[in-house]
Amino acid sequence: DILMTQSPSSLSASVGDTVTITCRSSQSISSYLSWYQQTPGKAPKLLIYAASTLRSGVPSRFSGDGYGTDFTLTISGLQPEDFATYFCLQTASTRALSFGGGTKVDNK
Amino acid sequence: EVQLVESGGGLVQPGRSLRLSCAASGFKFDDYAMHWVRQSARKGLEWVSGISWNSETKGYADSVKGRFTISRDNAKNSLFLQMNNLSTEDLAFYFCVKDLSPITLVRGVGGFDVWGQGTLVTVSS
Repeated sequence: DILMTQSPSSLSASVGDTVTITCRSSQSISSYLSWYQQTPGKAPKLLIYAASTLRSGVPSRFSGDGYGTDFTLTISGLQPEDFATYFCLQTASTRALSFGGGTKVDNK
Repeated sequence: EVQLVESGGGLVQPGRSLRLSCAASGFKFDDYAMHWVRQSARKGLEWVSGISWNSETKGYADSVKGRFTISRDNAKNSLFLQMNNLSTEDLAFYFCVKDLSPITLVRGVGGFDVWGQGTLVTVSS
C-alpha cells in the first residue's frame, strides 16, 4: 500500500504569512494527489486536485506543486479563515486510496 | 444544491452489524464513483471503501476487507455500506463522499469534491 507522510504535523503562523505543507508518498504517484482543508466539526473540503489544479471557487492564495513522490501545498498570505487542518490524498493506487496524517495550522 | 446525507449510524455492540446509507441529490449520481471515508481521533482520516459508477470496481481498506461491503443503487441515487463483525477499532465518523471521476482505483486523477455531514458509529459493549 502507498503510505502518505505529511509534514509538519502542526505549525503556528500569523495572518499574512506564507505557509508550506509537504506530503511525501512511499512510491511514485505521478500527479494523482489532492489537498483538503478541514475546520473543527465540519467535513473536509477539496482545495486542489491533480497535484496543482485549483478547484473552482478556491482562493488563488492556495497553490499546489509536485510530481512523483514529493508534493507541497502553499498558502500565500494566510487569512483568518485558513486556520484549519490540511490533508493530502493519493488516488494512484489500484488497491487502496490513502490520506496523509494531516497538518494543523494554528494562530501564532 | 449538491448534497450527500448519511444515515444509519448509532451505537452497536462488538461483533454486530450496521448498514449505512447515503442519499445523493443535486448531481447525476450514476456519473461518478463514490466512497466511504471515516475519521477518528486515533487514526485520523481513513479511506474505507470506494465503488465505480457502474459498480464494476470496488475496493476496501485492509482494515475492513472481508467485513464491510459497499454497494450502490443508481436508480435510487443511493450509496450503502454494510458493516459486519464490528469492533471498537471501527468507532468513527463515517462520511459519504463523491469522486471527481466516474472510476476509481485505476491510477488516475481523482478527488473528493462533495462530502456528507457524517454519521457516527459507536462500537461498545
